[in-house]
Amino acid sequence: ETGVTQSPTHLIKTRGQQVTLRCSSQSGHNTVSWYQQALGQGPQFIFQYYREEENGRGNFPPRFSGLQFPNYSSELNVNALELDDSALYLCASSLDFNNSPLHFGNGTRLTVT
Amino acid sequence: TQLLEQSPQFLSIQEGENLTVYCNSSSVFSSLQWYRQEPGEGPVLLVTVVTGGEVKKLKRLTFQFGDARKDSSLHITAAQPGDTGLYLCAGDNGGFKTIFGAGTRLFVKA
Repeated sequence: ETGVTQSPTHLIKTRGQQVTLRCSSQSGHNTVSWYQQALGQGPQFIFQYYREEENGRGNFPPRFSGLQFPNYSSELNVNALELDDSALYLCASSLDFNNSPLHFGNGTRLTVT
Repeated sequence: TQLLEQSPQFLSIQEGENLTVYCNSSSVFSSLQWYRQEPGEGPVLLVTVVTGGEVKKLKRLTFQFGDARKDSSLHITAAQPGDTGLYLCAGDNGGFKTIFGAGTRLFVKA
């Protein structure tokens, strides 16, 4: 059973640029949730994708967008990067959208300078 | 807005000591989970509690869900250096979103 994998592991971008982060879900999982974890904080929910549709969104601006593909892998896109976007971005897959346990990848560490 | 407050924020203890960390909310949750996160890694699920008053044990770790399903505790007996990490509680309210507390950072000294 392949776990959740995220790429890249680290990324440095400049304010105003755009970034795309990628996530491969665990085999058999159809739901992907994205979280932002700032230093010293718990993960904050960005949004969730279920069967290629956005299934819910947290308190993040529209410049945070996502996609889910037919194989249930997912992308997180962030436009017009700001310094405060520097964080660990975590992807979690689950069997279903309805309170199934989350299986996390090891995250992408994004630094915006 | 649902919030999960964890306490203490930071705990540094000697190997062999016991400890309890807490997760509190004013909201009712259909389930609560505890995760452990180590540096450079994503959170790993330890346990899910569903029923009010439920107690679950995982080796030296004991998890309890409050009777009203608003709070939970994690007790570690005879802590070991391998228990070092960030302990996160997370709650589901029956919707699509799992929310997390800010975590308790535990350091166990040998």
